Amino acid sequence: EVQLVESGGGLVQPGGSLRLSCAASGFTISSNGMSWVRQAPGKGLVWVSRINNDGSGTSYADSVKGRFTISRDNAQNTLYLQMNSLRAEDTAVYYCAGDHNYAFDYWGRGTLLTVSS
Amino acid sequence: QSALTQPPSASGSPGQSVTISCTGTSSDVGGYNYVSWFQQHPGKAPKLMIYEVSKRPSGVPDRFSGSKSGNTASLTVSGLQAEDEADYYCSSYAGNRIWVFGGGTKLTVL
Repeated sequence: EVQLVESGGGLVQPGGSLRLSCAASGFTISSNGMSWVRQAPGKGLVWVSRINNDGSGTSYADSVKGRFTISRDNAQNTLYLQMNSLRAEDTAVYYCAGDHNYAFDYWGRGTLLTVSS
Repeated sequence: QSALTQPPSASGSPGQSVTISCTGTSSDVGGYNYVSWFQQHPGKAPKLMIYEVSKRPSGVPDRFSGSKSGNTASLTVSGLQAEDEADYYCSSYAGNRIWVFGGGTKLTVL
């Protein structure tokens, strides 16, 4: 059974930093591109960032470019999102998702990030 | 990186069909056959229902179908059932390793 489990969310002050993790089981992340998708409370899904299967290519939404960094440790089968210079508008549930054929077919249950003073 | 446009709500009675639209541009929906649809129940993670415009993952009922014409994709749910009540999101590849989602449609089964 495929499982993606996000962790690392919590309460952070504006301007602070946090690193999210996504641990995979029953699923080899090195075989897939992996993305982070977020959902602000009561709002829709927003794609945030993606890294390709060998980590050689990354991409970001304009809203997080220069502040967030996606990375992966294929040996640990884990995806990361380093988030710096956090803003109130970054408050959301962050999901990790594996993609195949340009579609997000595996999703974690999400971890909540709250940016507030 | 503008969001795709979906109607905020849709509804239908059990057994009926409902279609949800997803409008983008020639840079995303119209430019690639990589449109996906997701179902999300409250408090749950999204679930892939349609990929590559019209393909269904294993286990998704054939009551769910997808199509595309120009810059607009559509999801049709036939034979509506109570458990189909959920939020539905479209997504499209937009080139340069960028993806974009729609704003979501709340489907109510009357």
